[in-house]
Amino acid sequence: GESVGLHLPTLSVQEGDNSIINCAYSNSASDYFIWYKQESGKGPQFIIDIRSNMDKRQGQRVTVLLNKTVKHLSLQIAATQPGDSAVYFCAERFYNQGGKLIFGQGTELSVKP
Amino acid sequence: EPEVTQTPSHQVTQMGQEVILRCVPISNHLYFYWYRQILGQKVEFLVSFYNNEISEKSEIFDDQFSVERPDGSNFTLKIRSTKLEDSAMYFCASSERQIYEQYFGPGTRLTVT
Repeated sequence: GESVGLHLPTLSVQEGDNSIINCAYSNSASDYFIWYKQESGKGPQFIIDIRSNMDKRQGQRVTVLLNKTVKHLSLQIAATQPGDSAVYFCAERFYNQGGKLIFGQGTELSVKP
Repeated sequence: EPEVTQTPSHQVTQMGQEVILRCVPISNHLYFYWYRQILGQKVEFLVSFYNNEISEKSEIFDDQFSVERPDGSNFTLKIRSTKLEDSAMYFCASSERQIYEQYFGPGTRLTVT
């Protein structure tokens, strides 16, 4: 079925620490995942994506890991900064259904100075 | 950097009234989407639109909802007879191609009283 969910609703980290945000999905046929960041009062902002033929993808200070065996993906943020405070959503895109995104529940990341 | 814009930023309406939410997608984008987010919840897909046709719609997108691209720049979402449960943040998104990143607008907060 179409179900993408997050393990933890809130995460609090110290500035400079690394953050790990987790996401589980249920559709084993899923082949494309995206992480979005949503700051208060704004729309979701693309962070990084990964296809199912990859296990890992790195961006600037962010890394996404995909474990297809247990249908789990994670977003790692290195050296977390106050500007990283936001809600983070994983999403799954369905190419054969008009490109729609199915979002997970969201994790609120709070960075303490 | 080009961005998706939405108007109004906040719309208050009475139950049973019609509302039109407006979006201006990024100019060279061909795929358009509406999502909504009830306060504190995840972002939910409503509809995708391409080549002046709906490509995909969710169960939320019933007969009370319609979308239109009335000219070369605007993309609108109409709710014919609003209900209290339609109160949410509505996000427009666009992408150059279906497989490309979706860019989200800042959203319109709809409050139905």
